[in-house]
Amino acid sequence: RKEVEQDPGPFNVPEGATVAFNCTYSNSASQSFFWYRQDCRKEPKLLMSVYSSGNEDGRFTAQLNRASQYISLLIRDSKLSDSATYLCVVNKPLGTMDTGRRALTFGSGTRLQVQP
Amino acid sequence: GAVVSQHPSRVICKSGTSVKIECRSLDFQATTMFWYRQFPKKSLMLMATSNEGSKATYEQGVEKDKFLINHASLTLSTLTVTSAHPEDSSFYICSARGLTTYEQYFGPGTRLTVT
Repeated sequence: RKEVEQDPGPFNVPEGATVAFNCTYSNSASQSFFWYRQDCRKEPKLLMSVYSSGNEDGRFTAQLNRASQYISLLIRDSKLSDSATYLCVVNKPLGTMDTGRRALTFGSGTRLQVQP
Repeated sequence: GAVVSQHPSRVICKSGTSVKIECRSLDFQATTMFWYRQFPKKSLMLMATSNEGSKATYEQGVEKDKFLINHASLTLSTLTVTSAHPEDSSFYICSARGLTTYEQYFGPGTRLTVT
């Protein structure tokens, strides 16, 4: 089983639509969760961290369900500029490696294409 | 946010040659730097983690003698792909983090093509 799993998409939606991405992770000891976005042939950029209580940043809402090991990202009123690949990212938990590492594990990403 | 630079952004080399990629944190001290590789339409795969002043820790399946990592200062890490082969062609991305945060700042990546 992959450490972080995402539906690869693509999700093709019209402008203004609401779209939701889901992600599951396998290690229950994971501690930090993020959504990154990656444009074609570019580096990933942090979109938002994900907190247990859920958090919102403008049109973006992230939720975490630790019991189900499930993370979601909701984009409302989607814009053309939202077209990108959205990466679910989980940190490797402490205790299984040197504490100085704290590497991130990336899902394979969900591609979003917003159409006019 | 913090800035990480990578150089070169694109390199084409012949099979058998070595290529060095630099990763610099421009406005913060990066205690840890990570090197990732990404094949087309695939996720980023962690290759190795380096802490300043110590040897890099490589992920399973990554040859340390082929991918030499040096993290000589708090602002610079280098990845050298030795004796490159066409299958090493990929997008190599570094990231850096400071001491007190999980957040990583990514460089713009280096696209390596080995002919």
